[in-house]
Amino acid sequence: QQQVKQSPQSLIVQKGGISIINCAYENTAFDYFPWYQQFPGKGPALLIAIRPDVSEKKEGRFTISFNKSAKQFSLHIMDSQPGDSATYFCAASRGGGSARQLTFGSGTQLTVLP
Amino acid sequence: KAGVTQTPRYLIKTRGQQVTLSCSPISGHRSVSWYQQTPGQGLQFLFEYFSETQRNKGNFPGRFSGRQFSNSRSEMNVSTLELGDSALYLCASTQRGNTGELFFGEGSRLTVL
Repeated sequence: QQQVKQSPQSLIVQKGGISIINCAYENTAFDYFPWYQQFPGKGPALLIAIRPDVSEKKEGRFTISFNKSAKQFSLHIMDSQPGDSATYFCAASRGGGSARQLTFGSGTQLTVLP
Repeated sequence: KAGVTQTPRYLIKTRGQQVTLSCSPISGHRSVSWYQQTPGQGLQFLFEYFSETQRNKGNFPGRFSGRQFSNSRSEMNVSTLELGDSALYLCASTQRGNTGELFFGEGSRLTVL
């Protein structure tokens, strides 16, 4: 019930290509779906987040697509750049306020080739 | 504005010992959460503190404990260390009533020998 399943585990994309990472969840009580980016030696940093009342959110080259009925959401990175090479985690939480308890996916290691 | 600061950044302990990790949240942030990151289990929630009170706790044994001080700084303690406790321990802070964005520190990497 608390799991968030993420795929693929690793992804290699050419510079300028589109990177797509998928996540699926089971708990319908989740109401907040963030994506975090983590570089080696650093903590995760929030990239973009979405709530289930919208189907898509775009910020620059990053877009979240959300399918509530399928309980799936995905991250699209357009015009991927070598600087985007990092590990990406999807997550989900419920409860509101500051008592957020994130359930993370297993992570996707993205490599963008120059 | 300074970010989340965690100390120490690296430490090595032996089985059976205990360890205390420290976290200073972003100024003005009153909620502090702790996560364990390992290659096998990924990022797992340990606990969350707000105003010196533990409000949520993940599925970890009682050897893992924490506390928060009146200045919002937090510590976590792991007693009777096991090899499997080797991990990156991440602290994150957020403002009360925030939409959910957590600001993570760079972590404390614990190695248990």
